[in-house]
Amino acid sequence: NAGVTQTPKFQVLKTGQSMTLQCAQDMNHNSMYWYRQDPGMGLRLIYYSASEGTTDKGEVPNGYNVSRLNKREFSLRLESAAPSQTSVYFCASGQVGPRAQYFGPGTRLLVL
Amino acid sequence: GQQLNQSPQSMFIQEGEDVSMNCTSSSIFNTWLWYKQDPGEGPVLLIALYKAGELTSNGRLTAQFGITRKDSFLNISASIPSDVGIYFCAGRSGGSEKLVFGKGTKLTVNP
Repeated sequence: NAGVTQTPKFQVLKTGQSMTLQCAQDMNHNSMYWYRQDPGMGLRLIYYSASEGTTDKGEVPNGYNVSRLNKREFSLRLESAAPSQTSVYFCASGQVGPRAQYFGPGTRLLVL
Repeated sequence: GQQLNQSPQSMFIQEGEDVSMNCTSSSIFNTWLWYKQDPGEGPVLLIALYKAGELTSNGRLTAQFGITRKDSFLNISASIPSDVGIYFCAGRSGGSEKLVFGKGTKLTVNP
């Protein structure tokens, strides 16, 4: 039982390049989330998916797109990376309702 | 939007001491969660609270859901060096899928 897995662990991009961050969970959770974590800013929600086939914007969605591929997988895409998107990205999953969220190990992204 | 105030921002303590940190909200929550994050890792869930007044322990950790539903605290007893890390609170209000996070308490334990 791996929990929440994320790939890649590290990535360096040049401004304007695109990439997709992958996330998968094996806990049969309905809801999945993407956060970014920056020094002094805490965790900020980018997008979430309450169930397969639905996605909604969070606090900081600009510059990102997401795809809920199936119940297990939720990807985050940067179409044209900018230095302001240098951050640590965390995927999380949880059950519907007032339940806890469980986090992956993170992807560290540097945009030059 | 909703805000969580987490305090203190940082703590420097001696091994063996007890630690207390808290979070307060501007609105009512129906879930309070406490996470710990080690350097280079993702947040790990420590304790989940779902009812006002609930007091829950996990080893040396104890957390309470405030009866006003606007606050929560986390206590760590007899701290050890591996308690070092950043502790985050998070809360969720009724009907929302989204968590609101505090900005963290950075704990340093001197052996």
